[in-house]
Formats: sequence, structure tokens, C-alpha cells
Amino acid sequence: KAGVTQTPRYLIKTRGQQVTLSCSPISGHRSVSWYQQTPGQGLQFLFEYFSETQRNKGNFPGRFSGRQFSNSRSEMNVSTLELGDSALYLCASSSGQTTYEQYFGPGTRLTVT
Amino acid sequence: GDSVTQMEGPVTLSEEAFLTINCTYTATGYPSLFWYVQYPGEGLQLLLKATKADDKGSNKGFEATYRKETTSFHLEKGSVQVSDSAVYFCALSEATSYGKLTFGQGTILTVHP
Repeated sequence: KAGVTQTPRYLIKTRGQQVTLSCSPISGHRSVSWYQQTPGQGLQFLFEYFSETQRNKGNFPGRFSGRQFSNSRSEMNVSTLELGDSALYLCASSSGQTTYEQYFGPGTRLTVT
Repeated sequence: GDSVTQMEGPVTLSEEAFLTINCTYTATGYPSLFWYVQYPGEGLQLLLKATKADDKGSNKGFEATYRKETTSFHLEKGSVQVSDSAVYFCALSEATSYGKLTFGQGTILTVHP
């Protein structure tokens, strides 16, 4: 099976702009989770989608949003970018079952200038 | 809330040395526990997992035992290789926290020939 793919791999944006990141899960997986990784805060959970519904959300401002499509592909959007949004954004897919074994993509490196 | 604490790093070892990376957790229920590894420029790879007390997860020579009495999930390997150099993350998930992994801060491991 193909792994989790994320596009683009690298992005450079200017403060105030918005950005959309994409994630394609492993075939058959219906759950997609998003994480932000920074040197200072480590890995932090953003939100999770299962069958097009957001089931869980972390403690991030409303500028961070996401959605999931009927084929389980997911996008996350960050509006009004701030310098502090510079990070590696990781998505992970799973079957959505209770053991929550998640498989991660390579990440999108976002730099805000 | 849930939390994971890993031993402070970085850890530097010679090839064939014994490795231990300590991990303790705080959770309200009965979480599943995971170790993930991240190589430079890549996403996270699942190394091993345990879903209930006294379970032992193992993979590629790495082992960790779910100890409910000490709320611990320490990672061990009997003989490390240079190729094991990476960042190791301990994580937990609870069945009631859909799609959310709570991570420790990560431990950088460097193995010298």
C-alpha cells in the first residue's frame, strides 16, 4: 500500500497570507489527524477528521481549520499567517479504531516571513 | 489532562551499547502507548506499541513494556547501531480522544561508530 502523502513538501508564505495543505491517507483509512511540530512546542495535535466529520480539536486559534472529503483526503487551512506559524505540519492516517495506530506522512515545511 | 514525559536528551552512545530511553505518562483512563522514531527531514515512523498493561511491544530489536503500576513505557535496545541515530518520541492515545496522540518532547539519540 502507498503511504500517507502530503503536498506541498515546502512552502514559503508572507505574514498575513493564507495557506492550504493537503494530505492523502493510506487507502482504506478513514481517519486523518493533523499535528504541528516546532522546536519550542514539540508535536501538538490540531484536529482529527473521520468520515468527513471533525471529531476532535486541539487548542489552536480559529485561524486553523480543516476539512475532509468523501475519499478521505484532507486539507488544512491557516488564514492570516503569523511568524509563529512556521513549523512542520504532519498529517497521520489510521483506520479510526480504538488502538489509534497512526501512520504519518513526510510533512509540509511552512516558513512564514 | 494527559501528558507524556521523556528523559532529557540528547543521548550519545557508542555502537553496540545498551539503550534505555525513559518514558512516563499521566492519563485519566487506560491509554494505548507508542514509540515513534523520526529521521532527519522525515515524518514519524511507528516503532512499536502496546495497548494494555503488561503488553510488550517489540520491533527491530527495540522493546518496551507497558507498566501500569509505574505508569511507564521505557524503550530499550540491547545493541544500538549507527543507523539508529534519530529522534524518539513516546506517545499515548485514549479511546475517548479521537485521533489524538499526546507526545513527549522527544529524545535525540546519536550513535557513534
